[in-house]
Amino acid sequence: QTVVTQEPSVSVSPGGTVTLTCGLSSGSVSMSYYASWYQQTAGQAPRTLIYNTNTRSSEVPDRFSGAILGNNAALTITGAHADDECDYYCVLYMGSGIWMFGGGTKLTVL
Amino acid sequence: QLQLQESGPGLVKPSETLSLTCSVSGGSISRNNDHWAWIRQPPGKGLEWMGCISSSGNTYYNPSLKSRIIFSVDTAKHQFSLKVTSVTATDTAVYYCAKLGGYEPDYWGQGTLVAVSS
Repeated sequence: QTVVTQEPSVSVSPGGTVTLTCGLSSGSVSMSYYASWYQQTAGQAPRTLIYNTNTRSSEVPDRFSGAILGNNAALTITGAHADDECDYYCVLYMGSGIWMFGGGTKLTVL
Repeated sequence: QLQLQESGPGLVKPSETLSLTCSVSGGSISRNNDHWAWIRQPPGKGLEWMGCISSSGNTYYNPSLKSRIIFSVDTAKHQFSLKVTSVTATDTAVYYCAKLGGYEPDYWGQGTLVAVSS
């Protein structure tokens, strides 16, 4: 069974740039997977950051961007802030009305 | 602004049925045959897609849960519902309802914790 993969943990320095990836255990992610990205702080519901691979949700600052990089969907954060430290999830549309989440990435800003 | 709110028991006994309802306000549940999703998150773990239902009642279930979950929608009450049968401790999770905007959840409920315990 195909699994959606994310880095379990990533760190970035304040003000730095970091890229989180979202891949498939078998195959490549393309635009047809309509990748979306979510930010979740402890005890809160996820917040939509990016949808349709590279479209920013309303009120999301432009230092968050999405793209396809190589075989993966990617979320890039430029100018990382301390309050960017939380969990990030991607979800892919697998077709036939089925979506699949990645396992999530814990981002540390230090 | 569309708002979603989950409701239901916070504690369910093993082998029983977990039932949750999501109430939609600030918009129509049946606009453009919108799709409505259930997502859950066990404590300390990641998000799991459970499936979705269209406002016309078409259902799409996560294959790993398909034998135990049932979705329904009541457009007159602006609600959609989830049932999980034969629950075990592994069904303990925060359950979120969400609206699909195209190919992604765009509006989320705040989530409700359901514990499975005797």
